[in-house]
Amino acid sequence: DTEVTQTPKHLVMGMTNKKSLKCEQHMGHRAMYWYKQKAKKPPELMFVYSYEKLSINESVPSRFSPECPNSSLLNLHLHALQPEDSALYLCASSRGRTDNQPQHFGDGTRLSIL
Amino acid sequence: DAKTTQPNSMESNEEEPVHLPCNHSTISGTDYIHWYRQLPSQGPEYVIHGLTSNVNNRMASLAIAEDRKSSTLILHRATLRDAAVYYCILRGNTGGFKTIFGAGTRLFVKA
Repeated sequence: DTEVTQTPKHLVMGMTNKKSLKCEQHMGHRAMYWYKQKAKKPPELMFVYSYEKLSINESVPSRFSPECPNSSLLNLHLHALQPEDSALYLCASSRGRTDNQPQHFGDGTRLSIL
Repeated sequence: DAKTTQPNSMESNEEEPVHLPCNHSTISGTDYIHWYRQLPSQGPEYVIHGLTSNVNNRMASLAIAEDRKSSTLILHRATLRDAAVYYCILRGNTGGFKTIFGAGTRLFVKA
């Protein structure tokens, strides 16, 4: 069992839909991350939050909108996605952004865009 | 960003040791070496990390070359559950503390 919980596990949506992915951790971690992983490829960093503030945005298209409402929660709001956005979306957390402590990953949300 | 190079795949027999190599010739003095693994249908899982000295934990050992240009993850007795993709990652100030995954090594374990 993972200490980072992601919901939903699977999501199918049309290109005009708006949906949100959720991530939750209760380890007291102050850094949270979103990654995108295509099939048989390594995870790619999308966003990093540190102390609930956006710290890194890896030039992600604006149709992906992250939000960190508090230190335990991380959301990824999706709007007008394209078929190529179909992927596994992984959330991770760590004690701090720059302390070299391990990242803890959830098992991801598998997203399919019709 | 400092890069890592790993073999695409390796094969091991069950209950034998496995040595997974990683080259990182452009590593800087403040970069830590992290290893993660990803089992099928799961998110990546932290395995071990180190800076200069060899490190041991319940999952594995990390052997770091004296010049730090390479490292080896050692699984002492491979089990079928160790079949996964293993990622060697450099993380430090020069890369903005980003965790950038390379292609990794897919480990196959034979019974």
